[in-house]
Amino acid sequence: KNQVEQSPQSLIILEGKNCTLQCNYTVSPFSNLRWYKQDTGRGPVSLTIMTFSENTKSNGRYTATLDADTKQSSLHITASQLSDSASYICVVSADPGGYNKLIFGAGTRLAVHP
Amino acid sequence: DAGITQSPRHKVTETGTPVTLRCHQTENHRYMYWYRQDPGHGLRLIHYSYGVKDTDKGEVSDGYSVSRSKTEDFLLTLESATSSQTSVYFCAISESSGLRVTGELFFGEGSRLTVL
Repeated sequence: KNQVEQSPQSLIILEGKNCTLQCNYTVSPFSNLRWYKQDTGRGPVSLTIMTFSENTKSNGRYTATLDADTKQSSLHITASQLSDSASYICVVSADPGGYNKLIFGAGTRLAVHP
Repeated sequence: DAGITQSPRHKVTETGTPVTLRCHQTENHRYMYWYRQDPGHGLRLIHYSYGVKDTDKGEVSDGYSVSRSKTEDFLLTLESATSSQTSVYFCAISESSGLRVTGELFFGEGSRLTVL
């Protein structure tokens, strides 16, 4: 069964600190992996999209890594800011180009405290 | 921000009543989707559309119907709302390449539905 599991479920860090969120998936055939940020009461917004051949991708203070062999991805946030408080959702595409095959993780809720 | 507008943003209704949620886009994207988001679950696809009058079911389509009479509008209808349909509903859009969907998936702001 295609699944995407994220850990931790929630996380609290102090402003300025770094953190890493994890995503493990059992999805086949793998096409791409995406990370979304969802602010409270808003829709998800894309951070990165990674294909099979990409190991690392950055978007400002956000860096995503992908290990297709172990089927693991991580999202590293550097020098956290209060505005980073949000849910972060890992999404894996199970079919080349088929959006109807997107599998969403339940998300990690991050709280950044001053 | 992608031009996606969902309406209503909040709605409270009673069990057994019909409900229609509207998604309007100004991006002229071919693909449109309806998802629901519940605590502890990832977003789950209800229905999607790959063109005017072309729709298909997602993984949780029971109790829902959709219609797309214009490129810019995608309607989600609950014919007889139940308490299990209390959720936050998100519309999304994407560009297409032939019969495949590539690139970004853009989401609306969500519609919170409460069925009493």
